[in-house]
Parts: sequence; structure tokens; C-alpha cells
Amino acid sequence: GAGVSQTPSNKVTEKGKYVELRCDPISGHTALYWYRQSLGQGPEFLIYFQGTGAADDSGLPNDRFFAVRPEGSVSTLKIQRTERGDSAVYLCASSLTAGGRHEQFFGPGTRLTVL
Amino acid sequence: DAKTTQPPSMDCAEGRAANLPCNHSTISGNEYVYWYRQIHSQGPQYIIHGLKNNETNEMASLIITEDRKSSTLILPHATLRDTAVYYCIVRVEPGNTPLVFGKGTRLSVIA
Repeated sequence: GAGVSQTPSNKVTEKGKYVELRCDPISGHTALYWYRQSLGQGPEFLIYFQGTGAADDSGLPNDRFFAVRPEGSVSTLKIQRTERGDSAVYLCASSLTAGGRHEQFFGPGTRLTVL
Repeated sequence: DAKTTQPPSMDCAEGRAANLPCNHSTISGNEYVYWYRQIHSQGPQYIIHGLKNNETNEMASLIITEDRKSSTLILPHATLRDTAVYYCIVRVEPGNTPLVFGKGTRLSVIA
């Protein structure tokens, strides 16, 4: 079946602009995660949704970052007033919580470049 | 989550077994050892996980020491497609806690 998809695959923006990154999880997966990955580093947790609600947003670096998942499926990560330091690959993952299986399935990521 | 320590890089000849070590000396009794890998320009991919018994699946084997302070991921017959960064992660299970990635081990499989 289809995996996790993310759009766009690449996004170039200017400092100060607003961006939205979209994640389509695997159908039926109730948990959804956002991570970001800087060059040469492992992915860093941002926020986790269980259904429609954010169960843990402790990884969001500041109030410029916000994420929603209004219908418990697709999620959008929103970044206001982008800064050059926001440049990274933003990864989305989903997992099925039933049956004791908690492995996370990752999308290919969105590469964000802030000029 | 407990911190893990992995060598930054390793080489392996194609067709040979790749043995990737991980130290997790502060692991708690309810924490599992997970392995993920990330091939260039892709998202991480789950490989295997275990608590204290050795585990094997179609991708790899996981050997956990009796004191649980370290483990080894074994790819029995490495291929060029196994070239990737391998991450060892400790995590409470069951649960949907986020994964805490370190820098991992960059495995290069050489023809």
C-alpha cells in the first residue's frame, strides 16, 4: 500500500516568509510525528499527534512553529517568519497504535531552504 | 530516553556480515532497543527491536548482552544497498513516544 507522503519535496523561501509543509500518513495510522533533520545530524523530534490532538509538542523550538491535524489524518506544519536557521529536512512519520506495533514509518521529507 | 553510543563510521565488504555495535549502559528495565536506518535522501526505516532476548527478522539479527548494556545489529550478508546511517535508539514500549536519534553509524558496504 501507499506509504507516508510529504509535499512539497523541496521548498525554497526567503527569510521572513511563511511556509506550510504537508504530510499524508498511512491510512489508518492514528499517530503522526514531525521531526527535522539538519545536515550531518539525526532527526530531531518536533511534535506528535494522537488522532486530532497534539499529544506532545515539547520539541517545537519556538512559537513560530505550529502544526495541525484537524481530521486526524493529513497534518500541516506551519512556520511563520522563517529564519535561515530553519533550513533543514522536515520528516513526517506515522504509526499504527493497535496490536502493540509502534514502529514508525517515515516519509521522504521536505527539504526547506531559507535564503 | 537513555543515551546510546555508536561508532561514527564502519566499512564492510559486500557479502560479508556487518556487525554494528551500540552501547546503552544507562538503559532502564522497561526500555527496548530499536534500530532504524536511513539511506541517503530517504526517511529512516525501521529494522528491528528487542528487550532482552535476541531477535531475528528478514532484515537483520539483534544481539543484546545479558546485562542489556550493549547490543549488536547484524546484517548477515551485506549488499551495496545496505549502505546507510544506522541508528540505535532506546525507547519505552508499548507506547508512542517519539524516537530520540543520535548521530548513528555510517555503514559503507564496499564491492
